[in-house]
Amino acid sequence: QQQVKQSPQSLIVQKGGISIINCAYENTAFDYFPWYQQFPGKGPALLIAIRPDVSEKKEGRFTISFNKSAKQFSLHIMDSQPGDSATYFCAASNGGGFKTIFGAGTRLFVKA
Amino acid sequence: GAGVSQSPSNKVTEKGKDVELRCDPISGHTALYWYRQRLGQGLEFLIYFQGNSAPDKSGLPSDRFSAERTGGSVSTLTIQRTQQEDSAVYLCASSQGLSSDTQYFGPGTRLTVL
Repeated sequence: QQQVKQSPQSLIVQKGGISIINCAYENTAFDYFPWYQQFPGKGPALLIAIRPDVSEKKEGRFTISFNKSAKQFSLHIMDSQPGDSATYFCAASNGGGFKTIFGAGTRLFVKA
Repeated sequence: GAGVSQSPSNKVTEKGKDVELRCDPISGHTALYWYRQRLGQGLEFLIYFQGNSAPDKSGLPSDRFSAERTGGSVSTLTIQRTQQEDSAVYLCASSQGLSSDTQYFGPGTRLTVL
């Protein structure tokens, strides 16, 4: 019940295309859903996050879509650029003290 | 301001030796996490400190692993009698408070056990 399932494992997108990464969770007590971006040799860094009171959050080219009834959320990267090539992790947590649960990660490669 | 720092950045050790990895969290952050990341894999939770509460050690893979946090700030992850399967990047993260806060990650310590 604590798992966060992330797909796909890897993704190749042409420059200018849309990258879509999906996550599903089980624990309805989760109330915070961040996405982290990790470049090789670096620690993950927060990219964008959403709470379940909204269905969508957009920051520049990055959008989170959230479906509370389906217990799913996704990251959309519009106009994908080679500099977006990185590993993306979704996560879920609860302010009541549950530790943050991370998805397995998606390796994105944007072809120039 | 300063981010999360970890030392050493790289550590090569021989099988059976003990190692200590250090994490300096962001000043004022009460929560601190340790994760293990094997090559090309996801983040494996190890241990979580929150303020003065007892740490959540549920992710420690064996009794060879231990961690402490002194004075609510610096943390040390100790691996005793290292094995080759311990080779990984060990990441530390801190956050302002409860687990719903943004975690700020350090650059990691790359551990290689020969």
